[in-house]
Amino acid sequence: GAGVSQSPRYKVAKRGQDVALRCDPISGHVSLFWYQQALGQGPEFLTYFQNEAQLDKSGLPSDRFFAERPEGSVSTLKIQRTQQEDSAVYLCASSFPGTGVNTEAFFGQGTRLTVV
Amino acid sequence: AQSVAQPEDQVNVAEGNPLTVKCTYSVSGNPYLFWYVQYPNRGLQFLLKYITGDNLVKGSYGFEAEFNKSQTSFHLKKPSALVSDSALYFCAVHSSNTGKLIFGQGTTLQVKP
Repeated sequence: GAGVSQSPRYKVAKRGQDVALRCDPISGHVSLFWYQQALGQGPEFLTYFQNEAQLDKSGLPSDRFFAERPEGSVSTLKIQRTQQEDSAVYLCASSFPGTGVNTEAFFGQGTRLTVV
Repeated sequence: AQSVAQPEDQVNVAEGNPLTVKCTYSVSGNPYLFWYVQYPNRGLQFLLKYITGDNLVKGSYGFEAEFNKSQTSFHLKKPSALVSDSALYFCAVHSSNTGKLIFGQGTTLQVKP
């Protein structure tokens, strides 16, 4: 596709339920980032992949959060036993060729997760 | 630690007037600064960036930003605002280690006709 695609766009989960959020980056983009954007806040970094390698997961808020990118393209962010504080918009971004300052990150529309 | 601050939650301007959205930064080393815009139900869109060189950076949709090292600021500007510029604007600093962006809290720009 032409841009970064995320699905689903909206997800309502009951507290304690597991969810999986998908990101299709721009074809050929090496770097992939996940961010969490709480209501009224700026996006906060969660994790970063270079191809299939997860090089930085320092922003994941707890061990309930898990991300993977097994073939170096599509990525999935999984949240286990969701809590109300997990309610946020989850943004995915990709860039090519890497992480250099001259590369521009392209963002998807995000998945709005509401935990009830 | 690297950080950016956007001191204004909201900026209101009349259409046709100049606009400024403020951003200050705190970084160790060279600052690599970005502005993104977020329209409702849409992803973040890149506006412009400062890496090095001229302190006045020109970007998309007629926006520009002025890098001021002594004041550690990177304010976003536009000479003549449009109603369609109304959106949420984020300033960000780039982390050279991993390429992640560290965002400010965001400023809502409201342009009234």
